[in-house]
Amino acid sequence: RKEVEQDPGPFNVPEGATVAFNCTYSNSASQSFFWYRQDCRKEPKLLMSVYSSGNEDGRFTAQLNRASQYISLLIRDSKLSDSATYLCVVAHRGYNKLIFGAGTRLAVHP
Amino acid sequence: GAGVSQSPSNKVTEKGKDVELRCDPISGHTALYWYRQSLGQGLEFLIYFQGNSAPDKSGLPSDRFSAERTGGSVSTLTIQRTQQEDSAVYLCASSRLKPGTEAFFGQGTRLTVV
Repeated sequence: RKEVEQDPGPFNVPEGATVAFNCTYSNSASQSFFWYRQDCRKEPKLLMSVYSSGNEDGRFTAQLNRASQYISLLIRDSKLSDSATYLCVVAHRGYNKLIFGAGTRLAVHP
Repeated sequence: GAGVSQSPSNKVTEKGKDVELRCDPISGHTALYWYRQSLGQGLEFLIYFQGNSAPDKSGLPSDRFSAERTGGSVSTLTIQRTQQEDSAVYLCASSRLKPGTEAFFGQGTRLTVV
């Protein structure tokens, strides 16, 4: 079993839709959590860190559920430019090696 | 430089040849990672250099793969006797060592073994 699991998608949604992705992690020692975004044939870039209390950045909301060991990303009012692969990333307590999920592909259409 | 720099950006090599891929991290970043990504797949962890500590080599797929980091800065990933299944994009990232900090990626080296 992979340490970080994501639904690969694709999620095909119309512009303006709200879409949510979940990610589960297996190691309870995971301490730091992130969502990265990767555009086609480009390198991954940080979208947002995920904090215990949940956090919001514009149209994006990230939540962490430690008890169930999952992380979520909610995108409101989807834009065409949101089309990308969203990577769930965890790091263990006291150790910054980043462990990537395989990614969830999002396609926003007009 | 301002970001992580990788070279070459593209490399085509014949099966059985050795290749060297280079990564120049962001100045001051003591953590350095190598990942590879096959077409349409996720990132596969290869190796992690963490400051002056011994590197985490747990992701290297075979003994044909090795990496070094000289002077705590530039890193070289070497693949010996390349095979066609080594074809992938090799991505390097760097970060500060403190847990929870963002990693910045280079644009990758696209390796094609023919």
